[in-house]
Amino acid sequence: DTEVTQTPKHLVMGMTNKKSLKCEQHMGHRAMYWYKQKAKKPPELMFVYSYEKLSINESVPSRFSPECPNSSLLNLHLHALQPEDSALYLCASSQDPFTSDEQYFGPGTRLTVT
Amino acid sequence: AQTVTQSQPEMSVQEAETVTLSCTYDTSESDYYLFWYKQPPSRQMILVIRQEAYKQQNATENRFSVNFQKAAKSFSLKISDSQLGDAAMYFCAYRTVLGSGGSNYKLTFGKGTLLTVNP
Repeated sequence: DTEVTQTPKHLVMGMTNKKSLKCEQHMGHRAMYWYKQKAKKPPELMFVYSYEKLSINESVPSRFSPECPNSSLLNLHLHALQPEDSALYLCASSQDPFTSDEQYFGPGTRLTVT
Repeated sequence: AQTVTQSQPEMSVQEAETVTLSCTYDTSESDYYLFWYKQPPSRQMILVIRQEAYKQQNATENRFSVNFQKAAKSFSLKISDSQLGDAAMYFCAYRTVLGSGGSNYKLTFGKGTLLTVNP
């Protein structure tokens, strides 16, 4: 199984809502990533978890809160978002954060903030 | 800081023809990794090919091959016998080997080249 799954596929939320994005992989990977991608732009790294510990936070606003409950699961909790946060949110994983291992990407959650 | 430049925002190719996508990068490091990722419309991003800088031999994966020119800091992707399914956004990416503070996790992406394949 070389798959990263993400739920939901689409999410529409108001600026006062609280919602969560979920990412799951069962490849035994020890690094997991959240990216934000705007249309026709490259992905922008938001967070990296290595061995279930937050390793990188790319100065992301606190309205985005990541969580890694276990080695297979990664969540992104959303609260009080702004319309400019509308984007495709990609999750990725890789086997070992200290090598050149390929990052496997999920299909993404398309988020619209109204 | 490393930078990755893809100078062709859009490219098109006829089915069965060959196309080359350009990528240049800037780094002071001697060892690093380079990747080409493909992102089809509304589909997952997948790795096309990778190159380790210390390897002089150009990487090849079926119809995909790279022309890695380390001195020129160039890493172009050649797609032979183009197929309709090759239509996608292609991103060139750089990854450091000896980063500290977690920076070795980071991929630096170019802005992408949108490839259209005409039947």
